[in-house]
Amino acid sequence: KAGVTQTPRYLIKTRGQQVTLSCSPISGHRSVSWYQQTPGQGLQFLFEYFSETQRNKGNFPGRFSGRQFSNSRSEMNVSTLELGDSALYLCASSSGQGVYEQYFGPGTRLTVT
Amino acid sequence: GDSVTQMEGPVTLSEEAFLTINCTYTATGYPSLFWYVQYPGEGLQLLLKATKADDKGSNKGFEATYRKETTSFHLEKGSVQVSDSAVYFCALSADQAGTALIFGKGTTLSVSS
Repeated sequence: KAGVTQTPRYLIKTRGQQVTLSCSPISGHRSVSWYQQTPGQGLQFLFEYFSETQRNKGNFPGRFSGRQFSNSRSEMNVSTLELGDSALYLCASSSGQGVYEQYFGPGTRLTVT
Repeated sequence: GDSVTQMEGPVTLSEEAFLTINCTYTATGYPSLFWYVQYPGEGLQLLLKATKADDKGSNKGFEATYRKETTSFHLEKGSVQVSDSAVYFCALSADQAGTALIFGKGTTLSVSS
């Protein structure tokens, strides 16, 4: 079974731009969660989508948004980028029901200059 | 809000030493508790979990017991190996699906032969 894939793996953007990151979950998984990892704040939960609906949301500003498609693939968008948005963005997939293991992708490294 | 506190690293041990990484949590309700591990150059992966008080999670020689009275979920291993060198994250999930994780800051373990 293929693992969680994230594209692109690396990205450099300029302050004020917007960016879209993509995540393809493991086949059959209906839940996709997004996390931001920084040296200062550690791993922080952004949001989770299950069957195309946002089911949980962390404490991030509205500049961070996401969506999920009917094939469970998910995208995350960050508008009006700030220097502090530089981070590793991880997505994780799970079946979404019961307390099941989340499978993490390798992440997208975003650098904002 | 909910939070996880784990001991600061790095933790440096010799092979076959006993390992304890402390983790305490603050949460309303009855969260599920997890330990995730990130090996060098690899993504996050679930090490073990416990979903209710007094549950013991175990995997690869690692154990952790969900202690509601002390709000703790300490990770232990009786005899560490060089291959255990990694970053360990304690996490909780207040939602039933376990897909909105709140992580501790992570503890780096370095084991020498």
